[in-house]
Amino acid sequence: EAGVVQSPRYKIIEKKQPVAFWCNPISGHNTLYWYLQNLGQGPELLIRYENEEAVDDSQLPKDRFSAERLKGVDSTLKIQPAELGDSAVYLCASSPGTVTDTQYFGPGTRLTVL
Amino acid sequence: AQSVTQLDSQVPVFEEAPVELRCNYSSSVSVYLFWYVQYPNQGLQLLLKYLSGSTLVESINGFEAEFNKSQTSFHLRKPSVHISDTAEYFCAVSDRDFNKFYFGSGTKLNVKP
Repeated sequence: EAGVVQSPRYKIIEKKQPVAFWCNPISGHNTLYWYLQNLGQGPELLIRYENEEAVDDSQLPKDRFSAERLKGVDSTLKIQPAELGDSAVYLCASSPGTVTDTQYFGPGTRLTVL
Repeated sequence: AQSVTQLDSQVPVFEEAPVELRCNYSSSVSVYLFWYVQYPNQGLQLLLKYLSGSTLVESINGFEAEFNKSQTSFHLRKPSVHISDTAEYFCAVSDRDFNKFYFGSGTKLNVKP
């Protein structure tokens, strides 16, 4: 069974440019998470979806970040415009259902903003 | 909101020695507790979790963690480590009431021969 797929794996952009990350969760997993991981830190939740619904986006900086999960399957996270401080690894994870279920993580997208 | 504290950012240890990775969380409200591990060049994966019942939980590769409600801790232990245990270990807490999920900053375990 395929794991969580993320693309691209690496992205280098100039500040003020837009960027998008894509995530395809494990088939059948209803819950999808986007995390941000800064160097030397643990993942910080940005948004959690249950099917198509964003049930927790309280930590998503909505002035520049947006996300969507159309049809409740794959998801896209966008930053527009990117800032220097957005340089980090963006992780996607999926789980079958609730927060007690194991989360399966993708390899992440490493973003560098110059 | 919860906070998760992993005081040790790095733990060097010799092979076959015992190890304890410490994890404390801030609130004593009902929680679920997890340890995730990230091996070099791999994604995060679940090592073990506590949901309810016995406060001692074990993983398939010899790690164990004990939920201590009075100490608000969930320390990870292994009596004898292997080179292959070299990885970064993240403690995580989920708040039962609000379905929030919080990770600690991670502990890098470096097992030396």
